[in-house]
Amino acid sequence: DVKVTQSSRYLVKRTGEKVFLECVQDMDHENMFWYRQDPGLGLRLIYFSYDVKMKEKGDIPEGYSVSREKKERFSLILESASTNQTSMYLCASSPSLGWSYEQYFGPGTRLTVT
Amino acid sequence: QQPVQSPQAVILREGEDAVINCSSSKALYSVHWYRQKHGEAPVFLMILLKGGEQKGHDKISASFNEKKQQSSLYLTASQLSYSGTYFCGTPKPNNYGQNFVFGPGTRLSVLP
Repeated sequence: DVKVTQSSRYLVKRTGEKVFLECVQDMDHENMFWYRQDPGLGLRLIYFSYDVKMKEKGDIPEGYSVSREKKERFSLILESASTNQTSMYLCASSPSLGWSYEQYFGPGTRLTVT
Repeated sequence: QQPVQSPQAVILREGEDAVINCSSSKALYSVHWYRQKHGEAPVFLMILLKGGEQKGHDKISASFNEKKQQSSLYLTASQLSYSGTYFCGTPKPNNYGQNFVFGPGTRLSVLP
């Protein structure tokens, strides 16, 4: 079974702090994704990566950056956390390039910025 | 633009059927369906890649009408385990290039 793990289930940070969210997948998947999930809005794509050191902006990249130094690991970085970044963050991976493959999601990190 | 899902929420008794619709004002190239139970990660159900395609397993199936820019998810003889929020998703171009967008979700509650 594909396993996608995220470094923390719950995280509380202060406004202005730099925040790192880590995601690791164990199935040698090419694509990795970061979403945020907010009530009534569904899941919104922040960034995705189709290869090591490659990244593409999703729908809402502002205020975020990402890093993919190894194939299995994809990090989301909030350079200066703000209260409007309080949300559930979900990482996902999929086997190959393109949008014809299912995405496997991690359990999520609930981030609260105070 | 985000796909539109209807209904927003539905409550069923065990054994009843439900239909969840996903539509878009722009072309749909493929449609993904996921279910998320409360407090858990979304789980993949199925992908429809071509207009006219229909898929299903167990008592959950889906259709994709490319011309009408919509997809429907059919849940027949619903079970308690079907409760959760159902999301459709589709690839969409955006200002940066490629993107993937999910609908806002349909909350399904199955009661005994």
